Amino acid sequence: GAVVSQHPSRVICKSGTSVKIECRSLDFQATTMFWYRQFPKQSLMLMATSNEGSKATYEQGVEKDKFLINHASLTLSTLTVTSAHPEDSSFYICSARAPTGQETQYFGPGTRLLVL
Amino acid sequence: DAKTTQPPSMDCAEGRAANLPCNHSTISGNEYVYWYRQIHSQGPQYIIHGLKNNETNEMASLIITEDRKSSTLILPHATLRDTAVYYCIVRVPSGNTPLVFGKGTRLSVIA
Repeated sequence: GAVVSQHPSRVICKSGTSVKIECRSLDFQATTMFWYRQFPKQSLMLMATSNEGSKATYEQGVEKDKFLINHASLTLSTLTVTSAHPEDSSFYICSARAPTGQETQYFGPGTRLLVL
Repeated sequence: DAKTTQPPSMDCAEGRAANLPCNHSTISGNEYVYWYRQIHSQGPQYIIHGLKNNETNEMASLIITEDRKSSTLILPHATLRDTAVYYCIVRVPSGNTPLVFGKGTRLSVIA
C-alpha cells in the first residue's frame, strides 16, 4: 500500500512553545490530507482536512488559530500546534487519500506530543 | 457520527480464525465497508474494503451479507501480532470524505 510518513515521531516541549509536525506522502501525490488526534484509550478524532493550495477545513471545536495547517505541496502537509499547553498532549496522526481504487486512506505512524 | 456497531472486545486463540462482526444497518447504496486496525501506539493500517461482494486479500477476508446490513472481517490464522483495535467504517469513497472512526473492537490474540 501507499506510504505516509510523519516527523517527528515524538516530541516533548515546554508549555507556550510551538511544535510543527510534518506529514509526507512518499510514493504518491495527495491533494487531500487529514489530521487526527487521539487521546489515551480513545478513538481517533478528525481535526481538519488539508487541501493542497487552499485553506484547511476544520472540524467543529478545533481552533484554527491554534492548530495551523499548511499543505504547500502535493506530498507535504504540516500541522503546527501554537502556544502548546499540557492539554494539547496527544497522539497526532495524519492521513492521505491515495488516488487509487476506491479512494483508500493511508495513515502515518503518528506523532506523540508531550507538553510539560 | 459512527454508522457502525462493533463489540468492544474479543479474544481469539493464536492460530485460530478471528471473526470480527460489524453492524451497519443504515448503510446506503453507494457506501463501501472499510476495515482498518490500529496496533498500540501506531497509525491505523488499512486491511480491506468492499461494496457488496466478498473480498479477500493477503491479510483478511471480508464477508458482507446480502442485505449489506452487516459484515464480518476474518483473520484466518490469528497471530499475536494481530492484537489490535479493529475499526469497521462505512463511507462513500469520493472527494474529501474522511474516515470517521468509531470505538472499534479490541482483539486480543492469546497464546
